[in-house]
Amino acid sequence: SQQGEEDPQALSIQEGENATMNCSYKTSINNLQWYRQNSGRGLVHLILIRSNEREKHSGRLRVTLDTSKKSSSLLITASRAADTASYFCATDAGAGSYQLTFGKGTKLSVIP
Amino acid sequence: EAGVAQSPRYKIIEKRQSVAFWCNPISGHATLYWYQQILGQGPKLLIQFQNNGVVDDSQLPKDRFSAERLKGVDSTLKIQPAKLEDSAVYLCASRSPPGVLQETQYFGPGTRLLVL
Repeated sequence: SQQGEEDPQALSIQEGENATMNCSYKTSINNLQWYRQNSGRGLVHLILIRSNEREKHSGRLRVTLDTSKKSSSLLITASRAADTASYFCATDAGAGSYQLTFGKGTKLSVIP
Repeated sequence: EAGVAQSPRYKIIEKRQSVAFWCNPISGHATLYWYQQILGQGPKLLIQFQNNGVVDDSQLPKDRFSAERLKGVDSTLKIQPAKLEDSAVYLCASRSPPGVLQETQYFGPGTRLLVL
């Protein structure tokens, strides 16, 4: 079953603009991860935020986590055409399982 | 370091035929996963291995799907017989050993299966 639900399903922006994607999940988590998938390719890990963290940065990426609302957001600043991809949030429920449950993803198109 | 390798990249078969996918994880990664990704959806875990043992295969349709990792390195996933609804991308991933990045999974390019 899908744990996370990303919103919006699709997003189209101009190069240089910021892109924000949201993820909601249902059960308690140990950490939440964001992955990127380019067309026809495998997934690439972008960033991980633990349940006791509220915000994390990595380059042009900013992730927030609100465990009380069971939601997370991914912000990509100063977008580039190369950021065009699908973005998935994945939750790790912990307990040593190291299993990820993925959402349906947000398809981002960055127009040059 | 070399990434997760998968083959073949594409496969077209007719329903009721059998098919096998191969995965070679990153060297030293003891945990290996197989996912099924249907078009427009996120990956869904099919099976998780730790070395050559199965950790979780609760979402593997065992009447037609099987997987093995006999020597704790390479893995194969088989579908026999295939159904139309098995058309999907099959992704293999491996997990970093204990350490700072131990929750991170590394994915292969996937095998795109089309069942006609």
